[in-house]
Amino acid sequence: DSGVTQTPKHLITATGQRVTLRCSPRSGDLSVYWYQQSLDQGLQFLIQYYNGEERAKGNILERFSAQQFPDLHSELNLSSLELGDSALYFCASSVRGELLHFGNGTRLTVT
Amino acid sequence: AQSVTQPDIHITVSEGASLELRCNYSYGATPYLFWYVQSPGQGLQLLLKYFSGDTLVQGIKGFEAEFKRSQSSFNLRKPSVHWSDAAEYFCAVGAGQAGTALIFGKGTTLSVSS
Repeated sequence: DSGVTQTPKHLITATGQRVTLRCSPRSGDLSVYWYQQSLDQGLQFLIQYYNGEERAKGNILERFSAQQFPDLHSELNLSSLELGDSALYFCASSVRGELLHFGNGTRLTVT
Repeated sequence: AQSVTQPDIHITVSEGASLELRCNYSYGATPYLFWYVQSPGQGLQLLLKYFSGDTLVQGIKGFEAEFKRSQSSFNLRKPSVHWSDAAEYFCAVGAGQAGTALIFGKGTTLSVSS
């Protein structure tokens, strides 16, 4: 158990909808990272937060947004969903930026 | 820009045989290097990491990896594969600075035959 909790485990929704994925980092970890894993793109870095502030952006679409709250949990919001957004979304946390601990992911299916 | 290449998409190894998974990286300075393993339906588990020092690093589950700067490689090895090692393996590189994300390779799927 990595100590990183992601909810829900599975999410099925329709195109055009909006969903929110939640991540609770390991106790004491200030950084939260979001990754998208798909068969064709592999593991793509989306965005990182450190102690409530956005630290880095990767290949995140404008339809996607994230935030980190004062209690350090993070939410990834995906809107105007398309079929191609179906993927496994991972959250990871770290104390230092170079050692990431991953949650078990949220599997999103857009129909 | 940082990048990671795992040349082998899928490898099949007989149980008890040795294993080597290849990883090549592109990075201007000394990178922080990692190997993660992902079992079906699971998250990524850290196998081992290289930050500095001894270029041969030992990890969990009997895995080791060797950092070769001249070849920009960080290959993962195991002397004797077990059926439970069947999974997907990811090599990753980081800049080594606090707050920078890891860049992952596309992964190598390992199948173990009996």
